Amino acid sequence: KNEVEQSPQNLTAQEGEFITINCSYSVGISALHWLQQHPGGGIVSLFMLSSGKKKHGRLIATINIQEKHSSLHITASHPRDSAVYICAVRLGATDSWGKLQFGAGTQVVVTP
Amino acid sequence: NAGVTQTPKFRVLKTGQSMTLLCAQDMNHEYMYWYRQDPGMGLRLIHYSVGEGTTAKGEVPDGYNVSRLKKQNFLLGLESAAPSQTSVYFCASSPGAGYTFGSGTRLTVV
Repeated sequence: KNEVEQSPQNLTAQEGEFITINCSYSVGISALHWLQQHPGGGIVSLFMLSSGKKKHGRLIATINIQEKHSSLHITASHPRDSAVYICAVRLGATDSWGKLQFGAGTQVVVTP
Repeated sequence: NAGVTQTPKFRVLKTGQSMTLLCAQDMNHEYMYWYRQDPGMGLRLIHYSVGEGTTAKGEVPDGYNVSRLKKQNFLLGLESAAPSQTSVYFCASSPGAGYTFGSGTRLTVV
């Protein structure tokens, strides 16, 4: 069983809709990352969270440490938001050396 | 531009051939990582390095070797490629918090 679970696996939205992607994890972490990967492209870091909420443009990321859960929201979605969104947790053990464990990703398609 | 550069971007190998993937970073990061990405699975750690001259095994190290002779470079070697090593390989570097990823190497072993 993967220690980082994302849902949904796939999501299709119409332009302008509000999108939510969820991430649950079962290990101790020091931080959680949301990453974006466009088709055939590299991986870009969107957020790094250890508590609370962060906002960047139309993207909002939240984390609840007690519940071991994070969400990524996209407001007023646009076709250029079409990508795979990946949740990754940085393990909390002192000897983890910054290693990440990844969710399988959520494929988001936003149609005009 | 500062960042992580991976070479090559694409490669097709025949079973049994060898090759080396190069990851170079110019941000003076201590930590470097090699991951593989396969359909339907999250990225998995192959090997990592916490500083020049050090390397360690990750989750899926079999069939791969690495070296970090210089701080800025992290090499991933396949001594005898197998079809199961067909994948997209990503390198990442970190100063300790936050990560920068390369653009990936798409490797096909036939």
